[in-house]
Amino acid sequence: GEDVEQSLFLSVREGDSSVINCTYTDSSSTYLYWYKQEPGAGLQLLTYIFSNMDMKQDQRLTVLLNKKDKHLSLRIADTQTGDSAIYFCALGGGSYIPTFGRGTSLIVHP
Amino acid sequence: DAGVTQSPTHLIKTRGQHVTLRCSPISGHKSVSWYQQVLGQGPQFIFQYYEKEERGRGNFPDRFSARQFPNYSSELNVNALLLGDSALYLCASSLKTPPGNTIYFGEGSWLTVV
Repeated sequence: GEDVEQSLFLSVREGDSSVINCTYTDSSSTYLYWYKQEPGAGLQLLTYIFSNMDMKQDQRLTVLLNKKDKHLSLRIADTQTGDSAIYFCALGGGSYIPTFGRGTSLIVHP
Repeated sequence: DAGVTQSPTHLIKTRGQHVTLRCSPISGHKSVSWYQQVLGQGPQFIFQYYEKEERGRGNFPDRFSARQFPNYSSELNVNALLLGDSALYLCASSLKTPPGNTIYFGEGSWLTVV
């Protein structure tokens, strides 16, 4: 299977919370990142978490890390139409080559 | 401060041709990485350079090469282009070598091979 797995699509209503999930296989990952990519654009770093943390909150974004289950999630509170984009989970540390998931397309509808 | 800048932003090439893509890192960043992003996929690692030396190489054929200059800018070269090389090529920079340092991406160069 893939080293980093994400669901391909997530559809939410404006104002609801979005939760984007990521599972991974490399337990030696030191840094775990979330990137956002809007149509036709490059990747924008949203937030990251160190592997010795369980949670990190940054305004509307909350990252949760479950090392035992090798599961990373990104919660976006009060999702807006401007949050519509592709969200990538990426892992660094341990393996020298940073690894990205295939991305989750977040669709926000009124 | 300027972010990571890449050129050209879009280009069209014919099969068999050669292409050179350019990247200027964020000021003060000494590490540059290159990624290929095919439509519908996540970025795939191609090369990583730090202090003008290659520090990592992904699973790409020898048609792909890169170098880093004394000012830390970088070029990615692809020879004998194939249709499958059509993709968004992303450059990323960081202070030191990843993965211990956060990487910042440029807007990318869209390459279409016809």
